[in-house]
Amino acid sequence: AQTVTQSQPEMSVQEAETVTLSCTYDTSENNYYLFWYKQPPSRQMILVIRQEAYKQQNATENRFSVNFQKAAKSFSLKISDSQLGDTAMYFCAFMKRTGGGADGLTFGKGTHLIIQP
Amino acid sequence: EAGVAQSPRYKIIEKRQSVAFWCNPISGHATLYWYQQILGQGPKLLIQFQNNGVVDDSQLPKDRFSAERLKGVDSTLKIQPAKLEDSAVYLCASSPTSNQPQHFGDGTRLSIL
Repeated sequence: AQTVTQSQPEMSVQEAETVTLSCTYDTSENNYYLFWYKQPPSRQMILVIRQEAYKQQNATENRFSVNFQKAAKSFSLKISDSQLGDTAMYFCAFMKRTGGGADGLTFGKGTHLIIQP
Repeated sequence: EAGVAQSPRYKIIEKRQSVAFWCNPISGHATLYWYQQILGQGPKLLIQFQNNGVVDDSQLPKDRFSAERLKGVDSTLKIQPAKLEDSAVYLCASSPTSNQPQHFGDGTRLSIL
């Protein structure tokens, strides 16, 4: 079984600053995906960024980037030039690849990110 | 492209009553998931469907929870009878295939009195 740990229950930064959210995971699998999801108060989970474990290059999506350290089983999210709209719960998630597809997501407990004006 | 539709958005029932949630995935998405998100926690997978077949229901409390996906499109999740610990948000997600990113609905918030 996989586990995902997010050790920061809450973080607060000023608008325009850079913030990094931490995530570690435990698995014996070699083929998997890692994700960061954002959940605003509206409850809908929104995909922020995705990383495939076999790719050494870190994924980036505009202001969002990850630092994927496979040997250390670490997967942090960096948000640059933070904006008020980034305020939300952020969840790190793991998905194991199987034969022809993949399993469901295993989520961490989340980090509540607050962007202060 | 229409997103994942879920209803109702909110539901309040008393313990030992029954409740059902409905999910309509994105058109053409073969894989459908139900997650339970208890307050202050990340979502937990309850069941995964591939078309109308169950792929994984290992975390579904089968003594009280059931789910079906008729004709490989819409899905319903039922709880009978409900317990206090079932108070949570129930999220439905879908993806074209199981190894592609999942798209989530807005969820149903269930409160058990």
